[in-house]
Amino acid sequence: DAKTTQPPSMDCAEGRAANLPCNHSTISGNEYVYWYRQIHSQGPQYIIHGLKNNETNEMASLIITEDRKSSTLILPHATLRDTAVYYCIVSPGGNEKLTFGTGTRLTIIP
Amino acid sequence: GAVVSQHPSRVICKSGTSVKIECRSLDFQATTMFWYRQFPKQSLMLMATSNEGSKATYEQGVEKDKFLINHASLTLSTLTVTSAHPEDSSFYICSANSPGQGYGNQPQHFGDGTRLSIL
Repeated sequence: DAKTTQPPSMDCAEGRAANLPCNHSTISGNEYVYWYRQIHSQGPQYIIHGLKNNETNEMASLIITEDRKSSTLILPHATLRDTAVYYCIVSPGGNEKLTFGTGTRLTIIP
Repeated sequence: GAVVSQHPSRVICKSGTSVKIECRSLDFQATTMFWYRQFPKQSLMLMATSNEGSKATYEQGVEKDKFLINHASLTLSTLTVTSAHPEDSSFYICSANSPGQGYGNQPQHFGDGTRLSIL
């Protein structure tokens, strides 16, 4: 079973920031928080990951709470191409398998 | 960046046919690759872990004699669906972990998937 819980769906207006929450209250000390997204009929695309510090890259920002029990993925200026299912996964990384939950279906509204 | 290539992207074949799907890591060596299956409107389910030079590790409920995995080199893993039937129709996706360098663990990268349709 997935160790994360996410809202099943969210809408966001085009051009606004999309904030996707994830709860992972049973995360272990050696587990990272990974975010992927899957656009229809494609393989998952890596977005970002972090251990305990906030992270930012060209795609998104990841905010992890101090107790590491939850995190938020932020897409700063959402576009229509960001419409996808977003998955939050916790894993030790490396060659460990990833367990996908049901994710959040994000729809960007024009 | 790291790229994982999957081939073919789509297969349509008759019931009873065996189908081979290839997964290649294009710019890195992968000692471990993963095979997932995704049914419509569902999430990805891990089928097996493919290990270079050794036997694959299958998840509970996945028939190893039906889904044959061969990881003969550090850049290629193959999944063969033997004697496929309509219930095997699904979206099959592979992934591989790029070697870690510097900070933290590197993410897995996924292929674009293979849509298998058995008539």
